[in-house]
Amino acid sequence: DAGVIQSPRHEVTEMGQEVTLRCKPISGHNSLFWYRQTMMRGLELLIYFNNNVPIDDSGMPEDRFSAKMPNASFSTLKIQPSEPRDSAVYFCASSLGAGWEETQYFGPGTRLLVL
Amino acid sequence: AQSVSQHNHHVILSEAASLELGCNYSYGGTVNLFWYVQYPGQHLQLLLKYFSGDPLVKGIKGFEAEFIKSKFSFNLRKPSVQWSDTAEYFCAVKANFGNEKLTFGTGTRLTIIP
Repeated sequence: DAGVIQSPRHEVTEMGQEVTLRCKPISGHNSLFWYRQTMMRGLELLIYFNNNVPIDDSGMPEDRFSAKMPNASFSTLKIQPSEPRDSAVYFCASSLGAGWEETQYFGPGTRLLVL
Repeated sequence: AQSVSQHNHHVILSEAASLELGCNYSYGGTVNLFWYVQYPGQHLQLLLKYFSGDPLVKGIKGFEAEFIKSKFSFNLRKPSVQWSDTAEYFCAVKANFGNEKLTFGTGTRLTIIP
């Protein structure tokens, strides 16, 4: 089992640029989560999908952030335009089911630095 | 809405000391509880989880946690820590119904001194 795969692992960009983060969940998992981790705010849930449908995006900070899940094996988190305060580690996680059996498996994260 | 409190922000222990990290949650219904660990520079890994049954849960690497419903607590314990346990530990809770999301505590940084 390859686990949750995220790319890129590191991203350095300039303010105003578009950033796209990618995630491949564990095969067979039907829930996918995007988290952001910062020193100030800890680990925050941004959005999660169940069966490719966004269920809760209340954690998405603002309109500059968008997430898609076109199929069961791929999701993107896009920031456009990026700002320095978006610098953080972004984790993707997946789980089998969305109910009480849920255990989330995390990817290695993408470390984003916006200059 | 559910919430999770981890009162210890940074804990420093010597090797072989016993460990207990506090976790309290606020939700009146049935919950699922988790402890995750993040080693320096690595991603989160599941240490242990509680869904139902025996409130004393054993996880990987000698960790265990006890669910005390009356205290809304799920403290993490290890009888004898090692230097390799240096990491950040996150408690998380999820209400056992509907679309309630997994809510994380702010984490406890554990530093083990050799």
